[in-house]
Amino acid sequence: KNQVEQSPQSLIILEGKNCTLQCNYTVSPFSNLRWYKQDTGRGPVSLTIMTFSENTKSNGRYTATLDADTKQSSLHITASQLSDSASYICVVSARSSASKIIFGSGTRLSIRP
Amino acid sequence: EPEVTQTPSHQVTQMGQEVILRCVPISNHLYFYWYRQILGQKVEFLVSFYNNEISEKSEIFDDQFSVERPDGSNFTLKIRSTKLEDSAMYFCASRDTSAEQFFGPGTRLTVL
Repeated sequence: KNQVEQSPQSLIILEGKNCTLQCNYTVSPFSNLRWYKQDTGRGPVSLTIMTFSENTKSNGRYTATLDADTKQSSLHITASQLSDSASYICVVSARSSASKIIFGSGTRLSIRP
Repeated sequence: EPEVTQTPSHQVTQMGQEVILRCVPISNHLYFYWYRQILGQKVEFLVSFYNNEISEKSEIFDDQFSVERPDGSNFTLKIRSTKLEDSAMYFCASRDTSAEQFFGPGTRLTVL
């Protein structure tokens, strides 16, 4: 069964601290993995996209990693800011199948001053 | 910067009524999608559309749903006879030949 599991479900950290969010998936055959940031009541905004051959991708203070062998990904946020408070969603797509776009439940991140 | 737009931002309707949710994808994009997110739950894929036809649809996308690209800019989702469980945020997304999808801000549909 195609699944995307994220942990933790929620996280609270102080402004300026780093954090790492986890994503495990069982989607097959794998095409790509994306991390999105979703503010409450808004549409998801793409942070990173990684294909099978990519291990790391950065976008400013966001760094995503992918281990296609263990089917795990992480999103590391450096020097967090109050505006980083949002849900972070891991999305995995299966090759040649638009319907196999599986969303994780997200990690709700709260940054406290 | 080009963006996907959706109207209305919030739609309230009575059960059994028809609703049409509208989306204007980014102008040079070729692939279009509808997703929904029930409050507190995951985003779920509904349908993808390319070259004026549905390319794939999920189990959720039953006969009550239809999509249309009536002109060169709009992409619509119609729900023929709304049910209470259709209450959700509906997101439109579009992309060009790359994998990155750009999402609209969503339409919140409330069925009473």
